[in-house]
Amino acid sequence: KQEVTQIPAALSVPEGENLVLNCSFTDSAIYNLQWFRQDPGKGLTSLLLIQSSQREQTSGRLNASLDKSSGRSTLYIAASQPGDSATYLCAVRQSNNDMRFGAGTRLTVKP
Amino acid sequence: ETGVTQTPRHLVMGMTNKKSLKCEQHLGHNAMYWYKQSAKKPLELMFVYSLEERVENNSVPSRFSPECPNSSHLFLHLHTLQPEDSALYLCASSYLPGGGRQEEKLFFGSGTQLSVL
Repeated sequence: KQEVTQIPAALSVPEGENLVLNCSFTDSAIYNLQWFRQDPGKGLTSLLLIQSSQREQTSGRLNASLDKSSGRSTLYIAASQPGDSATYLCAVRQSNNDMRFGAGTRLTVKP
Repeated sequence: ETGVTQTPRHLVMGMTNKKSLKCEQHLGHNAMYWYKQSAKKPLELMFVYSLEERVENNSVPSRFSPECPNSSHLFLHLHTLQPEDSALYLCASSYLPGGGRQEEKLFFGSGTQLSVL
């Protein structure tokens, strides 16, 4: 059974810092991996999707990498801002339409 | 707006009530999902509908009953719920995997915050 782990569970940084969020998964037979952002009490917003054949995806200040063989992905956020404060979740899609989510990393960016 | 709309946003119900959650997507997707998010737990997949047929049912109790009348609408019918069913219920939609497209992203609604008294 696929298990997705996110470390750290919570992170607090001063504004302007670059930071890395980590995601690991136990079964490397994935279809793709997706990073989401969730604000309190709200739904999830898709940030980046990496197909299993890809190594990374970039969008603005965000860069996500994927090392499928080692079961790891990272989300790099450059020049963090207070508006980046949210919970970040990663999810892996198995080939059978199932997506497994990590518990998330709660990020706080202090002004 | 993500293109996925859920109603109601909040719902309080007693254990003997019957209610329904509604989800509508305007993205032309062919797969729809119900997820449950409880405090301090990862999202749990409840049901998947692919091309309007249920393809996944992760041992969800029968007091939760999904319905997918067409590719744009998804319902979750609730009856005789328990207090431990209180959670945020999220609907999502996507294109079915295949072709390696970015459009395979999962799009979520804002959720229904359910409280069972």
